[in-house]
Amino acid sequence: AQSVTQPDIHITVSEGASLELRCNYSYGATPYLFWYVQSPGQGLQLLLKYFSGDTLVQGIKGFEAEFKRSQSSFNLRKPSVHWSDAAEYFCAVAGGSYIPTFGRGTSLIVHP
Amino acid sequence: DSGVTQTPKHLITATGQRVTLRCSPRSGDLSVYWYQQSLDQGLQFLIQYYNGEERAKGNILERFSAQQFPDLHSELNLSSLELGDSALYFCASRPRGGSSGELFFGEGSRLTVL
Repeated sequence: AQSVTQPDIHITVSEGASLELRCNYSYGATPYLFWYVQSPGQGLQLLLKYFSGDTLVQGIKGFEAEFKRSQSSFNLRKPSVHWSDAAEYFCAVAGGSYIPTFGRGTSLIVHP
Repeated sequence: DSGVTQTPKHLITATGQRVTLRCSPRSGDLSVYWYQQSLDQGLQFLIQYYNGEERAKGNILERFSAQQFPDLHSELNLSSLELGDSALYFCASRPRGGSSGELFFGEGSRLTVL
């Protein structure tokens, strides 16, 4: 069975600081990996995805993520956080079933 | 705007009642997914439909049912409601030819059971 662990429930950063949100997955084969963002009162929006190839993937809003097979990780990064990045971030894994399994989410708080 | 439309946005009802949540997928998308989001369970997959047929079931209670109609809109029916059914219910659609896990989500229907 596939699963995702996001170890951090909350992360607080100052505006302009760098960000890294952690994600560990469990899946028997090569996974499809995703990061989604949920702003208050909104649905989830896809930030970026990894299927194969280059292990560093770029997404929207200046986010990137790196796939590390040896660590079963897919951490999300951003070099400089903006106040508008405050939201809930979800990591997800999917396989041949086409049904993504989501982590519990990490709430990002941005201080001015 | 994801292109996925969900109604109603908010719903308050009493225990024992029945409600229907409606979802219209993005134009051209054949797959519809329903998820339940709650504080204690996180995002839980309920059920998936593809072009009118049920494709996969997740943690969906027997009191819940769903269907996808010929025009591809979907409805999630929740009956004999309990306090614990209070949650945000999301519908999502997958692009035709889209990759596994790549979904477009609606804004959700927030159900409160009193």
